Amino acid sequence: GAVVSQHPSWVICKSGTSVKIECRSLDFQATTMFWYRQFPKQSLMLMATSNEGSKATYEQGVEKDKFLINHASLTLSTLTVTSAHPEDSSFYICSARGGQKPMNTEAFFGQGTRLTVV
Amino acid sequence: LAKTTQPISMDSYEGQEVNITCSHNNIATNDYITWYQQFPSQGPRFIIQGYKTKVTNEVASLFIPADRKSSTLSLPRVSLSDTAVYYCLVGRTGGGNKLTFGTGTQLKVEL
Repeated sequence: GAVVSQHPSWVICKSGTSVKIECRSLDFQATTMFWYRQFPKQSLMLMATSNEGSKATYEQGVEKDKFLINHASLTLSTLTVTSAHPEDSSFYICSARGGQKPMNTEAFFGQGTRLTVV
Repeated sequence: LAKTTQPISMDSYEGQEVNITCSHNNIATNDYITWYQQFPSQGPRFIIQGYKTKVTNEVASLFIPADRKSSTLSLPRVSLSDTAVYYCLVGRTGGGNKLTFGTGTQLKVEL
């Protein structure tokens, strides 16, 4: 299957700082990318959907000024957690889908980024 | 988006066949059914997708009755490495159509 790579795999940051997470589709053009957050023992919660070159669409309750999403190219989307606080500590996962068949039928997931804010 | 209901957990033993059923009573005409597997601290991995009847690939089978209000993921001869959370998702494929995850089923395989 197609490969979606996230970087970094884990990061520890101080409270009040910002952290950027990258999501790259390595072998296909991702017209749409999704960002999820997952707390321990819970399911994935969709945070936002982004289309290349457009502003992201955030889910209800997700602060767009805190979680900045940039989908500047067909192979790269970034999530920046601004002014991180301990409650932002979570597992962040990106997903990508292509624009044409066969790459648009399923979504491909990155390996996730473990964010710990201290 | 169609809501899905799955058992919270299931237990099995190595070598057995495991069937996980997902209910999706409000599935829409254009919705597909997709199953993902997730190991701890990893992103979900696609297992299988179908629209109706039966779909089989090298790792699983997906059974969908005519009314499409439920589906069953069948894992033949499970092993310890199949211990994971399995998610059933229902929705349209393609483009910006969202993928919304339900609670998932924690499958535990023992010797």
